[in-house]
Amino acid sequence: EVQLLESGGGLVQPGGSLRLSCAASGFTFSNYAMSWVRQAPGKGLEWVSAISDSGGTTYYADSVKGRFTISRDNSKNTLYLQMNSLRAEDTAVYYCAKEPAPVGFADVWGQGTTVTVSS
Amino acid sequence: DIVMTQSPDSLAVSLGERATINCKSSQSVLHSPNDKNYLAWYQQKPGQPPRLLIYWASTRQSGVPDRFSGSGSGTDFTLTISSLQAEDVAVYYCQQYYSSWTFGQGTKVEIK
Repeated sequence: EVQLLESGGGLVQPGGSLRLSCAASGFTFSNYAMSWVRQAPGKGLEWVSAISDSGGTTYYADSVKGRFTISRDNSKNTLYLQMNSLRAEDTAVYYCAKEPAPVGFADVWGQGTTVTVSS
Repeated sequence: DIVMTQSPDSLAVSLGERATINCKSSQSVLHSPNDKNYLAWYQQKPGQPPRLLIYWASTRQSGVPDRFSGSGSGTDFTLTISSLQAEDVAVYYCQQYYSSWTFGQGTKVEIK
């Protein structure tokens, strides 16, 4: 069964850092691009970042550029999101998602991990 | 950035009736070289992650009931639920993947 399992969320103060992880199973992780999408409480979906299958190419939303870093370890089947200089507006559920094609949509989503930025 | 606008924001439909959700993009998401529309639809139920329903504007994802269908091209798209079932109560999002990813604001579907 194809699965994505996020972890690493929690409560952090403004200006703080957090690293999210997404453990993949049930598919050849190194063959697929991956993305992070977030959802603020009661709000819609916002794409955050994406990374190519090899990890050689990364993309970021303007709202997180320069603060967040996406990476992956294909030997560990794990996707990461390093979040620095966190702001209250970064409070959200963060989902990792698998892309079935290099330019595409997301066919598998994790259950999400909650990040709360508050003093 | 491509802006995606859905209408309506919410709708209430009787069981067994048709539900129609519209999605408009601020610029065309049709890629001429392959004649594909870079448009997907997702369903999200409370407390759950999104679920892919439709991609390439009209291709149904494996396992999605055939009462769900997608249509449209260029900048105007529609998701239709032909006969609403109780389990279809959810928020539906369109998404363009022509240039990065952007989502519509969501449409909440309820039972009348």
